[in-house]
Amino acid sequence: SQKIEQNSEALNIQEGKTATLTCNYTNYSPAYLQWYRQDPGRGPVFLLLIRENEKEKRKERLKVTFDTTLKQSLFHITASQPADSATYLCALEGGNKLVFGAGTILRVKS
Amino acid sequence: EAQVTQNPRYLITVTGKKLTVTCSQNMNHEYMSWYRQDPGLGLRQIYYSMNVEVTDKGDVPEGYKVSRKEKRNFPLILESPSPNQTSLYFCASGPSTDYEQYFGPGTRLTVT
Repeated sequence: SQKIEQNSEALNIQEGKTATLTCNYTNYSPAYLQWYRQDPGRGPVFLLLIRENEKEKRKERLKVTFDTTLKQSLFHITASQPADSATYLCALEGGNKLVFGAGTILRVKS
Repeated sequence: EAQVTQNPRYLITVTGKKLTVTCSQNMNHEYMSWYRQDPGLGLRQIYYSMNVEVTDKGDVPEGYKVSRKEKRNFPLILESPSPNQTSLYFCASGPSTDYEQYFGPGTRLTVT
């Protein structure tokens, strides 16, 4: 069956460190993958999109990698700040649909 | 300002009473979709629309209807709501699925 897996446990890190979040998928062959940030009670906000022919994408303190062989995307936040605390969702293309993982909660402590 | 609006934001209703949640976008996007979000289950797509008059089922369409008569609007209709439809609902739009999606603020629905 098709699955998207993100760390179900919250990730707690110290301010200034790099946070690394994982998105693994099974039985999908996505042409692209997206990452979103969601704050409690609010709609997700788009962060980055990476296509299958791109190995890495960066935007300010954010970096995404996409390994179609491992069927995995890694999302990095460098020099993390308490304001980065949120739930991070990965989403991948499944035909004409965008399919989301359940998300990983990130807590950055000062 | 580019945005997706949803109304109402909060709704408490009773089983069987038909309701409509409206969704409107001002970005001329062709692709629109509805999701529900439940604790531990993440965002699950209910219906999507590739363009006007073109709609299709997502992963959890049972108990819902949609229509896309105009490009900007994509209402979600619950003909006979049941308690298992209590959830947080999000509307989203984008040029297509391979571009960023803009999400509305959410509608928290409680069916008693």
